[in-house]
Amino acid sequence: SYVLTQPPSVSVAPGQTARITCGGNNIGSKSVHWYQQKPGQAPVLVVYDDSDRPSGIPERFSGSNSGNTATLTISRVEAGDEADYYCQVWDSSSDHPVFGGGTKVTVL
Amino acid sequence: QITLKESGPTLVKPTQTLTLTCTFSGFSLSTSGVGVGWIRQPPGKALEWLALIYWDDVKRYSPSLKSRLTITKDTSKNQVVLTMTNIDPVDTATYYCAHRHYSYGGRFDSWGQGTLVTVSS
Repeated sequence: SYVLTQPPSVSVAPGQTARITCGGNNIGSKSVHWYQQKPGQAPVLVVYDDSDRPSGIPERFSGSNSGNTATLTISRVEAGDEADYYCQVWDSSSDHPVFGGGTKVTVL
Repeated sequence: QITLKESGPTLVKPTQTLTLTCTFSGFSLSTSGVGVGWIRQPPGKALEWLALIYWDDVKRYSPSLKSRLTITKDTSKNQVVLTMTNIDPVDTATYYCAHRHYSYGGRFDSWGQGTLVTVSS
């Protein structure tokens, strides 16, 4: 089955840029989605189809996807961006979603 | 506006069967391409996809849990029901239902608030 690998944690100072990676075999050929989950809350879609943002998501959130790595970039990080972030793709061979293990973003 | 809400027992005894209901609004589960999925999250752990049902009643299950899961829909009531048999303490988790967008990429663009299920005798 398809596996997505994320770093367990990323730390970033306010105002700086956080980059969260999501690794998978030839992930560049798939559409990658990213979710933000704050403590005690449900996940929220922040980037879909590699680099599109749902309505209401700040432009500070952006995504890219190529080769074996997809990346969620959070620019000008704010304290409110502290959360867990999950990547997700659709495994077309088995017709089901696959989630990464999540990355905890800590704002220093 | 799409909304989903999970309901069901908060405490279940080991070996029992868990039944969870997702009641939604803002979309129809008879619209081509649409699906509703169930995802769970044990305390302090990652998201784990469980099951999905499509508008045409096609069903998909997590391979590791397939033998224990059943997903059904009632389009007239705007509900999706998930049953999980032979419950174990390791099944303690927050269970979410989510709307699967019709596009090829298969994103979950709206989620319920989640319901915490504790398995304990």
